[in-house]
Amino acid sequence: ILNVEQSPQSLHVQEGDSTNFTCSFPSSNFYALHWYRWETAKSPEALFVMTLNGDEKKKGRISATLNTKEGYSYLYIKGSQPEDSATYLCAFGGGGGGNKLTFGTGTQLKVEL
Amino acid sequence: DTEVTQTPKHLVMGMTNKKSLKCEQHMGHRAMYWYKQKAKKPPELMFVYSYEKLSINESVPSRFSPECPNSSLLNLHLHALQPEDSALYLCASSQVYSGGTYNEQFFGPGTRLTVL
Repeated sequence: ILNVEQSPQSLHVQEGDSTNFTCSFPSSNFYALHWYRWETAKSPEALFVMTLNGDEKKKGRISATLNTKEGYSYLYIKGSQPEDSATYLCAFGGGGGGNKLTFGTGTQLKVEL
Repeated sequence: DTEVTQTPKHLVMGMTNKKSLKCEQHMGHRAMYWYKQKAKKPPELMFVYSYEKLSINESVPSRFSPECPNSSLLNLHLHALQPEDSALYLCASSQVYSGGTYNEQFFGPGTRLTVL
């Protein structure tokens, strides 16, 4: 059974705060690491797919880094806004040619005014 | 069109019923997935179809029967389910892996299934 862990489990921040979450995953048999954002009553939405050690990706105020040797990824949100409130899931792609995703339990972010 | 649609949104069924969940995408993706998500748990992979052929079955009980009739459609046939099968069932699609490129999965909103 693959162990994909995320911390913290939940986070409350004020509007304008910057924040970050951690995803830890097995360092062997690695194909890709995915980040998704899942707002209540909506579909999970892909943020990043990362494959290379040292990879860093950015989309607007959100960025992510990847360390495959030690098995962790960080997601950063700069200047949080209420619309960033969602559950952020990471998913480890290992096996099945990388199509087989094992999701972490998620970090639930609430941004308050 | 980057949407994955799922019908129905909600389904309540008895343990002796037969029902089907439907998923559709028109992005030209040739990989399609079924996930099951129980409350407060992460989505768990059930099945993967690649080029309309079943490529991964995560030891799912036979009371769940997937079908991929064409490249846009994915069904999940349900028969003799148990109350513990109540969950959110998510469908996703993606490009098939090729040339070292791993692709994001596009998810539908899910079907909320309750088994009485």
